[in-house]
Amino acid sequence: AQKITQTQPGMFVQEKEAVTLDCTYDTSDQSYGLFWYKQPSSGEMIFLIYQGSYDEQNATEGRYSLNFQKARKSANLVISASQLGDSAMYFCAMRENYYGGSQGNLIFGKGTKLSVKP
Amino acid sequence: DSGVTQTPKHLITATGQRVTLRCSPRSGDLSVYWYQQSLDQGLQFLIQYYNGEERAKGNILERFSAQQFPDLHSELNLSSLELGDSALYFCASSTPSQGNEKLFFGSGTQLSVL
Repeated sequence: AQKITQTQPGMFVQEKEAVTLDCTYDTSDQSYGLFWYKQPSSGEMIFLIYQGSYDEQNATEGRYSLNFQKARKSANLVISASQLGDSAMYFCAMRENYYGGSQGNLIFGKGTKLSVKP
Repeated sequence: DSGVTQTPKHLITATGQRVTLRCSPRSGDLSVYWYQQSLDQGLQFLIQYYNGEERAKGNILERFSAQQFPDLHSELNLSSLELGDSALYFCASSTPSQGNEKLFFGSGTQLSVL
């Protein structure tokens, strides 16, 4: 079974509007961490935001926020006020056993390609 | 700039050949991870080293091997290359910490096997 599911292969958003990228995850661990990375066309992977499973507040980093719904096992990325430079692939990832001395590697979803229209 | 350096950026080789990809982690990071990104498989974890020792193994083929040296740089060796090994290979590094252990990725090595 897939651990990380991103159901939107591609999305369009108008510049200056907000957009939500979906991510659902599957784990039986109580401790885990959820991450979002951005991959522009140039290829590098850029860390955006993370959420720990025990964090009570939704994470925010500038224009990025993570809508964490633990019971639904979802960790959607919200980008506010989209910019042309936000056009990229976005990957959701999970690390299991987050606080318990995990092995450290991340499991990635297939990604969502976001295109921002002027 | 993530601080993780990968060389070379591009590599073109033939089937059956052997190549070595190199990674220098961020200063102070003890863990190095190797990932393979292909269109059909997405981002696949290959292997992790921590302070010179293998920590975790993912979907790494037997034809592939890696090591982390005392200066913490790492090399990924790919041998008996096949067409299907063509992919973008990422190295990432991190330092274990309670809580937010981000992986910082290099810019990748694009391998083309012809």
